[in-house]
Amino acid sequence: QSVLTQPPSVSGAPGQRVTISCTGNSSNIGAGYDVHWYQQLPGTAPKLLIYGNNNRPSGVPDRFSGSKSGTSASLAITGLQAEDEADYYCQSYDSSLSGSGFGGGTKLTVL
Amino acid sequence: QVQLVQSGAEVKKPGASVKVSCKASGYTFTSYYMHWVRQAPGQGLEWMGIINPSGGSTTYAQKFQGRVTMTRDTSTSTVYMELSSLRSEDTAVYYCARMSGYYYNPRYDYWGQGTLVTVSS
Repeated sequence: QSVLTQPPSVSGAPGQRVTISCTGNSSNIGAGYDVHWYQQLPGTAPKLLIYGNNNRPSGVPDRFSGSKSGTSASLAITGLQAEDEADYYCQSYDSSLSGSGFGGGTKLTVL
Repeated sequence: QVQLVQSGAEVKKPGASVKVSCKASGYTFTSYYMHWVRQAPGQGLEWMGIINPSGGSTTYAQKFQGRVTMTRDTSTSTVYMELSSLRSEDTAVYYCARMSGYYYNPRYDYWGQGTLVTVSS
């Protein structure tokens, strides 16, 4: 059972917009800790996609954006491309763990 | 450029121990905390713990307390994660991940390539 809750899967056609939700509680997102998002392509290590709720590291396209409100956060991907097909994970500090909590991951399928 | 290079795949029997290494390069080793995260086959990411490469202090996830030991060697810029009393449920890919941000607001900007540990009799 993951610390943060994500939908197992989402899908969209090329060019469309999809969102992935991440729900926490008062020990993590609701306590004010930042949410970060990672993209994991098959057979590879996760890659930092969004940090500090809504910031993109250098090299990440502006098609990716993040938001946070209350005990939840969301990742939005616009202009879907075939190369976006991957697993996406949210992460936040959790005070009850005294460490990082991850979401269970969401598999994005580009139809 | 920052690189984290991990040791190769391991196959262990139940009850044994495994020690995975993660060699850092391209930055000042002692300036960034290192975390370990694992991923069971087809599953999500699970945080295991953190080591401060400067002083060697550690914090482990409660789930792994008593079974995990994280150490570092500053002379080779390498961190190690040893997991003992292995069981089949420990079969996973183990990642080292460099922490940026703050201790109470960590994020992981660089990851090792992962080390597959298979526990099987």
